[in-house]
Amino acid sequence: QQQVKQSPQSLIVQKGGIPIINCAYENTAFDYFPWYQQFPGKGPALLIAIRPDVSEKKEGRFTISFNKSAKQFSLHIMDSQPGDSATYFCAASMSSYGKLTFGQGTILTVHP
Amino acid sequence: NAGVTQTPKFRILKIGQSMTLQCTQDMNHNYMYWYRQDPGMGLKLIYYSVGAGITDKGEVPNGYNVSRSTTEDFPLRLELAAPSQTSVYFCASSYSGTADQETQYFGPGTRLLVL
Repeated sequence: QQQVKQSPQSLIVQKGGIPIINCAYENTAFDYFPWYQQFPGKGPALLIAIRPDVSEKKEGRFTISFNKSAKQFSLHIMDSQPGDSATYFCAASMSSYGKLTFGQGTILTVHP
Repeated sequence: NAGVTQTPKFRILKIGQSMTLQCTQDMNHNYMYWYRQDPGMGLKLIYYSVGAGITDKGEVPNGYNVSRSTTEDFPLRLELAAPSQTSVYFCASSYSGTADQETQYFGPGTRLLVL
């Protein structure tokens, strides 16, 4: 019930491509869905987050799409750049409790 | 603001030894968390705290202990180190009561190797 499943494990795209990372959850009580970005040797940092009352949220080149009925959400990176190469984690929580359940992570490589 | 700081950055332990991983935040956050990160496994919550004097178990608490005597500090204790505790440990904090309450701010991590 607490799992968040993330795919793919790794992803390689060319500069300018649009990588898409997908996550699926089981617990319908989750109401907060963030994405964290992690560079090598650093801690994760919040990238963008969405709540289930909207189906899409954009911040710059990053977009979250949310499908409540399918219990799935995804991250799209428009016009990807080599500097976007990092590990991306989706997560979910019941916001009143603060505890995040993380997906397994996706290692993104953007070639110049 | 230094944010969330962790010490040490790297440590090698022998099986059966004990150690304390230190975590301090200067953002006056009431919530604090300890995660471990293993390759391909994401981050798993070990323990968390909603305020000074209040701690609770997360998903993988076995082999660890925590205390929270102040708002700023949340140390993680390993009593009898085992090879299965080889991992990267992250401390995080967040603040409840605002629109930004779910954002967790992570420290730089402690890499632990148990041999």
